[in-house]
Amino acid sequence: QVQLQESGPGLVKPSETLSLTCTVSGDSISSFYWSWIRQPPGKGLEWIGYTYHSGSTDYNSSLRSRVTISVDTSKNQFSLKLSSVTAADTAVYYCARVWTGDYLDYWGQGKPVTVSS
Amino acid sequence: DIQMTQSPSSLSASVGDRVTITCRASQTISTNLNWYQQKPGKAPKLLIYGASNLQSGVPSRFRGSGSGADFTLTISSLQPEDFATYYCQQSYSTLTFGPGTKVDIK
Repeated sequence: QVQLQESGPGLVKPSETLSLTCTVSGDSISSFYWSWIRQPPGKGLEWIGYTYHSGSTDYNSSLRSRVTISVDTSKNQFSLKLSSVTAADTAVYYCARVWTGDYLDYWGQGKPVTVSS
Repeated sequence: DIQMTQSPSSLSASVGDRVTITCRASQTISTNLNWYQQKPGKAPKLLIYGASNLQSGVPSRFRGSGSGADFTLTISSLQPEDFATYYCQQSYSTLTFGPGTKVDIK
């Protein structure tokens, strides 16, 4: 059974960089695409971006200038970095597996992150 | 970027009702359309992929249809566990989610 678990700080100061890691178990990260999605309080889902095990990436155009997603195959993990955060980046952040870059079939439980001083 | 819209944004229904949710893309996306169900405090769950393919373990009362730019999710007989928010998502060009449709109890 594939499982994903987000980890990282739950509180980030404005203008700093949000960093989260997703640990994958039950599957090798050296397959499929792996993605980050977020959901602000009371709002809908927003795709942030995805990475392939080779390291290739693609991002939401509205976040591209601030986002980096990377993969560490030795640890079976992938990571999200979002720079220059503001209160608008407060959200639950989910990691997920993307089947052939198409649909998200396995999700983590979500990591709430608040941006506040 | 491809934009997604859903209608209605919310609806009230009773157990046993037939429910239909519509999703529209800003351009043709073939059948690169997926549907998710999300309950409060939980991660989304994949229901339908490729516009009409039922994900393993999902009850057959859920049906997806459509191609091009217009798509529909139908729940044939609403059950108590189906009260949730439903999102469509396109994968024709990167990924984009629709704004969601909340289904609550009448």
